[in-house]
Order: sequence, then structure tokens, then C-alpha cells
Amino acid sequence: GAVVSQHPSRVICKSGTSVKIECRSLDFQATTMFWYRQFPKQSLMLMATSNEGSKATYEQGVEKDKFLINHASLTLSTLTVTSAHPEDSSFYICSAYGQGLPNSYEQYFGPGTRLTVT
Amino acid sequence: GENVEQHPSTLSVQEGDSAVIKCTYSDSASNYFPWYKQELGKRPQLIIDIRSNVGEKKDQRIAVTLNKTAKHFSLHITETQPEDSAVYFCAARGGGRAQKLVFGQGTRLTINP
Repeated sequence: GAVVSQHPSRVICKSGTSVKIECRSLDFQATTMFWYRQFPKQSLMLMATSNEGSKATYEQGVEKDKFLINHASLTLSTLTVTSAHPEDSSFYICSAYGQGLPNSYEQYFGPGTRLTVT
Repeated sequence: GENVEQHPSTLSVQEGDSAVIKCTYSDSASNYFPWYKQELGKRPQLIIDIRSNVGEKKDQRIAVTLNKTAKHFSLHITETQPEDSAVYFCAARGGGRAQKLVFGQGTRLTINP
């Protein structure tokens, strides 16, 4: 149980275009989802916290107009990178907390999406 | 906000020896401290966690200790094996409603056969 999926796993887009990444909780209801960005050989940096039905809370320094987050249901959150540039190339990972899971503290991570902007 | 420092950044040990990775945190209200193993291009995998009301937890070859007074926690891996080679991250969940994790910088562990 407690499986989180992400789609796509890899995406290549041209500079200036937008790309959407989906994060789904497959077998539990995710009240809170998180979006992280990880550059090569670096740690996970939290971008934003997403609660179902409300606006996302962005970390300091993360542009909310560039990284659009929508958490429209208890099983789906989306991250849209608008007007992508090569410096946005990174590994994007989502995670989720769920209701009724054995470990109420544990975050369940998606497999990540490798974004390359050319 | 919470700040987590992790040391060392790289660690190389002989197969069969023990490995210790240490983290410190700043928020005394932090209440949950997970450790993750991450292989290249993959998601972080929870290997052990500890809550603030416990001082030590062990799962086979892996153990975690927590010193709330000093605000530090450590990961101990005994009888290391080549498959333990990976990047390890500590994290702390700060106090408050946000429930967000702050990660350490990571430790690249290499087990030499």
C-alpha cells in the first residue's frame, strides 16, 4: 500500500514552453502533497506544499507564477513549469501524506520526473 | 525555520565495517527524523525513522539514535555490504502544522569490497 506515481518519468521540452507533471496517490487519499526539486549531486529542496482544495504554500525563493501547483482532488496534484528555461532542468519529486496509513508521519515519494529543457 | 546539517558528505568504508552518519537540527519543536537511501535517478527510500519521544531504534543492521538535548541524530549501519553503497539523507520534520521535511545535504557512502 501507499503508492505514489508520477507522470511522465522523463520529459524534454524546448525553452519557453510549459510542461505539466502529475503526481497521484494510487491507493490512499493524500491530504497533503509536497513538491521537491533535486539538482545533480544535491539534496532535495522543498518547493511547495499542496493541500487539497486550497492554494499551495511556496517556499521562499520559489516563483509561484512559474511553478503552478494544483491539488484538485485527494489523489492528484499537478506541477506546471511555465516558460521553462534550461536552468529549470532538474529532477522533480512529489511526496504525500495520507489518511489511515500505518505511519502517519511518513511521506510517500513518487519516482520522480527528469525534466530537460533544451 | 528548520535547518539540518549532515556530515560527512562522503564516507568510504571496508565491507563488513560500520558506517556512521550524523545530523544536527535547529528547531527544538521537530518531532520526526527519517533517514532515506537514494540510488541514482530513483526516489528516496525510507530506511528507518525515529520520533522525538524515542532515543534509539534498531532494524537489523540499521540503527538510529536521537539526542533531543543536543539536537542531533545519527544513522549507524553495521556489517556493511556493497549494496549499501548509495546516497543517504537525513531529514527533520519541524514543529507546526506544515508537516514539511527539511533534508540534510546528503552523504555518499561507498562500501569497498
